Amino acid sequence: QVQLVQSGAEVKKPGASVKVSCKASGYTFTSYGISWVRQAPGQGLEWMGWISAYNGNTNYAQKYQGRVTMTTDTPTSTAYMELRSLRSDDTAVYYCAREFVVVAATGHFNGFDPWGQGTLVTVSS
Amino acid sequence: DIQMTQSPSSLSAYVGDRVTITCRASLYISGYLNWYQQRPGKAPKVLIYAASSLQSGVPSRFSGSGSGTDFTLTISSLQPEDFATYYCQQTYSSPLTFGGGTKVEIK
Repeated sequence: QVQLVQSGAEVKKPGASVKVSCKASGYTFTSYGISWVRQAPGQGLEWMGWISAYNGNTNYAQKYQGRVTMTTDTPTSTAYMELRSLRSDDTAVYYCAREFVVVAATGHFNGFDPWGQGTLVTVSS
Repeated sequence: DIQMTQSPSSLSAYVGDRVTITCRASLYISGYLNWYQQRPGKAPKVLIYAASSLQSGVPSRFSGSGSGTDFTLTISSLQPEDFATYYCQQTYSSPLTFGGGTKVEIK
């Protein structure tokens, strides 16, 4: 079955960096993009950006430009998200999600399915 | 950025009730609207994509409608496993944005 398995919880100090991994299985890795979404405690969902597993092209949300790097490693079917200069308000669960695209007469529609189980990143001094 | 506004932010309902959640986009998004369900402590799961298309494996009691700026998610007969938080998401333009969520609780 299609599955995304993320790395374990992290505790970081302010100013540090974190790199979360997302290992895909059950499908051809290079045929789909991966998005990263975060959720602060008790809050809603926030899209951080997307990477093509086919060619490595990225699209980052402006809010994270300069602070985030998304990469992929095709031989291991793994996507990575690195966030630098961590602050306390970066404390959140970080999810990876596979992007699917459906081509219809009215357009190309995409969504996220499945999602990884989430990685809690805690930023605290 | 396109802002997505969901209402209500929470609701209480009985098993068997018909439930409707609305989502409004701050700009025109055609039919580029998805709905997700998130149970406590779990990752979100897509229910509806392209405003009204049911994702494979999702029960038919879930349905979506709307186009342009106004959208609706309907659960025709609420089941115990449907108590969760629901999010809409627009994929019309980057950055992709989510609504604030609607928490559906047991009455």
